[in-house]
Amino acid sequence: AQSVTQLGSHVSVSEGALVLLRCNYSSSVPPYLFWYVQYPNQGLQLLLKYTSAATLVKGINGFEAEFKKSETSFHLTKPSAHMSDAAEYFCAVKPGGSYIPTFGRGTSLIVHP
Amino acid sequence: NAGVTQTPKFRILKIGQSMTLQCTQDMNHNYMYWYRQDPGMGLKLIYYSVGAGITDKGEVPNGYNVSRSTTEDFPLRLELAAPSQTSVYFCASSYSSAGGGETQYFGPGTRLLVL
Repeated sequence: AQSVTQLGSHVSVSEGALVLLRCNYSSSVPPYLFWYVQYPNQGLQLLLKYTSAATLVKGINGFEAEFKKSETSFHLTKPSAHMSDAAEYFCAVKPGGSYIPTFGRGTSLIVHP
Repeated sequence: NAGVTQTPKFRILKIGQSMTLQCTQDMNHNYMYWYRQDPGMGLKLIYYSVGAGITDKGEVPNGYNVSRSTTEDFPLRLELAAPSQTSVYFCASSYSSAGGGETQYFGPGTRLLVL
């Protein structure tokens, strides 16, 4: 069985500061990994995903994530936060061969002016 | 492409009432999912479908039923509403052929309040 742990239910940063949202996973087989973003009163949309190609994955809106197999991590970063980045972020893992992803509990990103 | 659409956007139910949450996708996706989202708990899978006529239980199926008579539609039925079913419900779809890195596409959600 797979699982996802997102450290920190809330992360607060100042505008212009580095954003780091942490995600650790467990999977018995090589996984596919995803970050989704949910803006207020909307559904989730894909930010980026790792599908066993490059370990550093670039997504939309300047976000990127690095797959580190030795650390079983897939942390999401952005060099400079914007006010518009305030949202809920979900990490998800899907083992190869499975059709059902498992989602983390989510991290709420708060951006201060 | 409208993507994934859900109706209604918001509903208040009394305990014991029934309702159907509608979900339609126009992307010809074979996989469809129903999730519920509760504060601080992430997404919990209720039911999913791998194609028309085939459905299976997820993590939290009790109190819900689904059907999939067409590729496009995947309604979720609540038979006897309980306060514990107060939540935000999301429908999603994806095209899956070999259990790879398929992206899920989500609808805007239905907010349900059971009183």
